[in-house]
Amino acid sequence: GENVEQHPSTLSVQEGDSAVIKCTYSDSASNYFPWYKQELGKGPQLIIDIRSNVGEKKDQRIAVTLNKTAKHFSLHITETQPEDSAVYFCAARTNAGKSTFGDGTTLTVKP
Amino acid sequence: DAGITQSPRHKVTETGTPVTLRCHQTENHRYMYWYRQDPGHGLRLIHYSYGVKDTDKGEVSDGYSVSRSKTEDFLLTLESATSSQTSVYFCAISDDLGYTFGSGTRLTVV
Repeated sequence: GENVEQHPSTLSVQEGDSAVIKCTYSDSASNYFPWYKQELGKGPQLIIDIRSNVGEKKDQRIAVTLNKTAKHFSLHITETQPEDSAVYFCAARTNAGKSTFGDGTTLTVKP
Repeated sequence: DAGITQSPRHKVTETGTPVTLRCHQTENHRYMYWYRQDPGHGLRLIHYSYGVKDTDKGEVSDGYSVSRSKTEDFLLTLESATSSQTSVYFCAISDDLGYTFGSGTRLTVV
């Protein structure tokens, strides 16, 4: 089955700096790569996603890049703000409909 | 989250007792999932469903069963709860794109 590895497990940045979280996947059949943000006491929430036919996607301060050949994808957050502090999960999904998640990255943005 | 609710939100139960968690959706989405979240393990898939009466096992299905008799409801049952099943349980729904998660059920088995 699919295996997704996520790094780093914790990340601390100064407000205004950029943050990058990286994931690798094992199943070349995976074709959909979402990112979720989980705030304390809540369920994960989809923040951005990318399909395998696209190399990069941006939404304001958030961007995701995908390298299909190397089987890795990354989340980039620019101009970080304290409200970006949360746990972030990457995931990989095939047409079978189920996603495999990374173990999560705890991002702390220091004011 | 809008369109998906989990009940109960919190539960404490004794070892050996049966427990059922409920996930209800109003989105008419085909896919429904149960995940558990534990420190250091992220989100792990327990069971999932492609439709009414169509379910399959995930990576950590031992000790759990599910049922989906209606599109809107997906039930997770612990037949005989153990302390290792203390966790936060999340239900998710999907229309073949990203997931929408419920708010979670915190289950403690004592």
